[in-house]
Amino acid sequence: QQKVQQSPESLSVPEGGMASLNCTSSDRNFQYFWWYRQHSGEGPKALMSIFSDGDKKEGRFTAHLNKASLHVSLHIRDSQPSDSALYFCAASEPYNVGDNSKLIWGLGTSLVVNP
Amino acid sequence: AQTIHQWPVAEIKAVGSPLSLGCTIKGKSSPNLYWYWQATGGTLQQLFYSITVGQVESVVQLNLSASRPKDDQFILSTEKLLLSHSGFYLCAWSRHFNQDTQYFGPGTRLLVL
Repeated sequence: QQKVQQSPESLSVPEGGMASLNCTSSDRNFQYFWWYRQHSGEGPKALMSIFSDGDKKEGRFTAHLNKASLHVSLHIRDSQPSDSALYFCAASEPYNVGDNSKLIWGLGTSLVVNP
Repeated sequence: AQTIHQWPVAEIKAVGSPLSLGCTIKGKSSPNLYWYWQATGGTLQQLFYSITVGQVESVVQLNLSASRPKDDQFILSTEKLLLSHSGFYLCAWSRHFNQDTQYFGPGTRLLVL
């Protein structure tokens, strides 16, 4: 079972609209979450990290984390065509020396922003 | 500023042939380094990580190997390519191991025929 599940698989929004992406973890050990964005043919780029319950805002991007429900979301306001990309949620556990702890990635959400 | 470079940009190789992909990070001493594989449009699978020169840990077994001959260099290789090795290979670095933002290179696209 995928430990980090993203929804929806794909999303289409009009330019200027709000895009909302969701990520749910099945592992209560996950404490740290990231959102990455990958444009076609490029490497992923980190958008933001969130480690504490509540909202974190960076420009047009707002992430929300609820550890009790193991849910993290990303909201993009005033979406632009350049926001069209594959968005990944990634999670990790607290690191213990000797662990092979690693970043666990979701399957991604494909966002298309229509001009 | 840190920069990450991967080579080659793309490769077309025959099944059974050897492969070597490279990654160099400039502007950061003692980075933590990672190799990932990604199927077209798919999720990222971490293959290897390295915390220090000469030490590489395997995360999944895909008939690939990795080495870190220098502080700023990470090499991914195999002696015999399989069809299943096709995909997008990404190198990444972070300041701290795992519980930290990872910064990715531009990737190498590999097609095995």
